[in-house]
Amino acid sequence: GQQLNQSPQSMFIQEGEDVSMNCTSSSIFNTWLWYKQDPGEGPVLLIALYKAGELTSNGRLTAQFGITRKDSFLNISASIPSDVGIYFCAGHLTQGGSEKLVFGKGMKLTVNP
Amino acid sequence: DSGVTQTPKHLITATGQRVTLRCSPRSGDLSVYWYQQSLDQGLQFLIQYYNGEERAKGNILERFSAQQFPDLHSELNLSSLELGDSALYFCASSPRGHRNTEAFFGQGTRLTVV
Repeated sequence: GQQLNQSPQSMFIQEGEDVSMNCTSSSIFNTWLWYKQDPGEGPVLLIALYKAGELTSNGRLTAQFGITRKDSFLNISASIPSDVGIYFCAGHLTQGGSEKLVFGKGMKLTVNP
Repeated sequence: DSGVTQTPKHLITATGQRVTLRCSPRSGDLSVYWYQQSLDQGLQFLIQYYNGEERAKGNILERFSAQQFPDLHSELNLSSLELGDSALYFCASSPRGHRNTEAFFGQGTRLTVV
């Protein structure tokens, strides 16, 4: 089945540093989504990418949809303590009339003040 | 607040029992998705409903079932519970339309099977 490989699995950074995370797949997806999950909460949508090659920003976040539709990256600039959490990538595809959202295993970010 | 409401927030039950988790999607959203998140695991897609009909099935066990009612709320039924079913169960909803893949998640139900 479709799988998303998310890397790295965890990162420890200092406040103010930039961080970059990646998601790749052997499958082609229509849409890539990036979510953040705080402890005890549901995932919150950060950025949605719809077109191959699309680069989208949301404040300090920047994400790009790979030209092959098989990968995406998310950058966070000038990290702050509240950036701590688990970041998930997700790919959406339509197969045989049914929709699927496939998630990566997540990247746990720790920001040291 | 995503607008997706899940109840209960916490549930503790014994092995062999049956529970029902409830989800109210965002106003106007026709699609409801159910996910399971175990410790150290990512989100595992279970099942999706669209406007009352099953649209897609993921890694859902036969002991689990779901439905979406005419008012669009959904229930996930888990039966013959096992210790390994302990997990966070999330519901997400998305609207119909061009950008119908922006799924918004509820806060989840934490199920503990003892």
